[in-house]
Amino acid sequence: DTAVSQTPKYLVTQMGNDKSIKCEQNLGHDTMYWYKQDSKKFLKIMFSYNNKELIINETVPNRFSPKSPDKAHLNLHINSLELGDSAVYFCASSSGGGYEKLFFGSGTQLSVL
Amino acid sequence: RKEVEQDPGPFNVPEGATVAFNCTYSNSASQSFFWYRQDCRKEPKLLMSVYSSGNEDGRFTAQLNRASQYISLLIRDSKLSDSATYLCVVNPPNKFYFGSGTKLNVKP
Repeated sequence: DTAVSQTPKYLVTQMGNDKSIKCEQNLGHDTMYWYKQDSKKFLKIMFSYNNKELIINETVPNRFSPKSPDKAHLNLHINSLELGDSAVYFCASSSGGGYEKLFFGSGTQLSVL
Repeated sequence: RKEVEQDPGPFNVPEGATVAFNCTYSNSASQSFFWYRQDCRKEPKLLMSVYSSGNEDGRFTAQLNRASQYISLLIRDSKLSDSATYLCVVNPPNKFYFGSGTKLNVKP
């Protein structure tokens, strides 16, 4: 019955590999996000989609490609993984339109070796 | 300049203490404001919204000063279970900017 669910929870991989993280929300929200939390615990927005359309791309390297097949799903594909990509990636959603609240998935711990 | 600035702490307080966290934000067009709580290795969870008139939820009181672009959170009668990182969050439309978080340790 999880509101925002993301998989996998843990991802360990070698440099240079390509990997994907999936996210789904059952809250009926219009807007979904990807956030990155680094080792210093700072949460930084990466992307935002509203009704499948990209509305925010916060100067993220183009090795990161989000895809939203429908408004309930926002997946993140990462090409040519680098050591610096190691972090926790959180998917989130909100209803949009201002004054909305943000709800998070449980996070994906990505470790690049 | 960061969008949202918080004192990282840690704040180490005994059970029963009152503790206050502050946060400043840079975008005067920001519309909504929140405090989130994040436990170790977990996702951030909404603690409370912050309204201009100030609002209270049990032991927690939040204040917003738009003129000074300043948000605060007061926790009264601290419990061991309040130990966590508290994140100040500011929302210009379609974005949520997070502060770096203030760590609270409540000791017996």
